[in-house]
Amino acid sequence: DAGVTQSPTHLIKTRGQHVTLRCSPISGHKSVSWYQQVLGQGPQFIFQYYEKEERGRGNFPDRFSARQFPNYSSELNVNALLLGDSALYLCASSPDRGGDWDEQYFGPGTRLTVT
Amino acid sequence: GNSVTQMEGPVTLSEEAFLTINCTYTATGYPSLFWYVQYPGEGLQLLLKATKADDKGSNKGFEATYRKETTSFHLEKGSVQVSDSAVYFCALHREYGNKLVFGAGTILRVKS
Repeated sequence: DAGVTQSPTHLIKTRGQHVTLRCSPISGHKSVSWYQQVLGQGPQFIFQYYEKEERGRGNFPDRFSARQFPNYSSELNVNALLLGDSALYLCASSPDRGGDWDEQYFGPGTRLTVT
Repeated sequence: GNSVTQMEGPVTLSEEAFLTINCTYTATGYPSLFWYVQYPGEGLQLLLKATKADDKGSNKGFEATYRKETTSFHLEKGSVQVSDSAVYFCALHREYGNKLVFGAGTILRVKS
């Protein structure tokens, strides 16, 4: 089975621009989470979506938004890019069996560089 | 709030050496604890987990024990291999939903 896939792999943008990152979860997984990993730091939680609804949001500004589609794929959007948005953006999917915790399966990430 | 502190790296060891990577946490109540590994160019992979005090998680020769009294979850391996070279992240889960709180990561380099 294919794992979590993310596109693009790498991306270079200029300050002030907008970016859209995409994630396809493992087949059968209904929940998608997004994390930001700045170089030298651990991943930080941005969003979780389940059945197209936002289930959780981390401490990120409103410039960050996301959505989930009927096929459970997801997009992360970042507006008005800042240099500090340069990071590896990780997507994770989980089956969401209704319990408090589901193992998350991470994709390889999208490396965003803002110049 | 919830947080995780890991020992700083990089940790450089010779093959077959003993590995310890320290991890302590701050959380209300009783979080679940995890170790994730990130190989170069790849996403995070769950290495092991423990969901309650005194639980021992183990996988691929790695072990970690959930110590509530010291709020720790140190990662150990008796004999490391070159293929273990990676970045290791300690993490906790406490809140509803799938939010993980990660430490800063520890780079492990194993020399042959």
